[in-house]
Amino acid sequence: GENVEQHPSTLSVQEGDSAVIKCTYSDSASNYFPWYKQELGKRPQLIIDIRSNVGEKKDQRIAVTLNKTAKHFSLHITETQPEDSAVYFCAASGTGFQKLVFGTGTRLLVSP
Amino acid sequence: GAGVSQSPRYKVTKRGQDVALRCDPISGHVSLYWYRQALGQGPEFLTYFNYEAQQDKSGLPNDRFSAERPEGSISTLTIQRTEQRDSAMYRCASSLNTGELFFGEGSRLTVL
Repeated sequence: GENVEQHPSTLSVQEGDSAVIKCTYSDSASNYFPWYKQELGKRPQLIIDIRSNVGEKKDQRIAVTLNKTAKHFSLHITETQPEDSAVYFCAASGTGFQKLVFGTGTRLLVSP
Repeated sequence: GAGVSQSPRYKVTKRGQDVALRCDPISGHVSLYWYRQALGQGPEFLTYFNYEAQQDKSGLPNDRFSAERPEGSISTLTIQRTEQRDSAMYRCASSLNTGELFFGEGSRLTVL
């Protein structure tokens, strides 16, 4: 089955810096890669996703890149703000959005 | 309701008792998922339904765990003869099958 690894487990940056979180997946059949943000005590919420037919997607300060050959994808946050502080989870699934497998999470701390 | 509703929000039970956790998905969402999330970890897939059909139950840890969605809407996750290792946050999510999962607030289970 699919296995998703995520690094780093914690990331501390200064406000205004960029943050990058990386994930690798094992199943070459996976074709959907979402990122979820979970604030303390809250539910996970989708912030951006990418499908295997594109290599990059951007939404304001966040972007995701996908390298299908290497089976890895990354989340990029620019101009970080304190409200970006949360745990971020990557995930992967195959056709039909069936079994979404999550990574172990990255705790991002943005200091003012 | 506007979002995924789960009950109870908190459940404390003694080892050996059975528990039932309920999920009321967003109206019209055909897919419903159950995940388990340990503290500091990513959501761990348990099972999912399309309408009333259980499509994948490969993540259920053992035969003490079962789930149903008899009318294609509300779902119940049942854990029989609970053990301390079952203590976790159990999250339900629903989807229109577009990829994005909408998570509920979760049911926190504590087995004494």
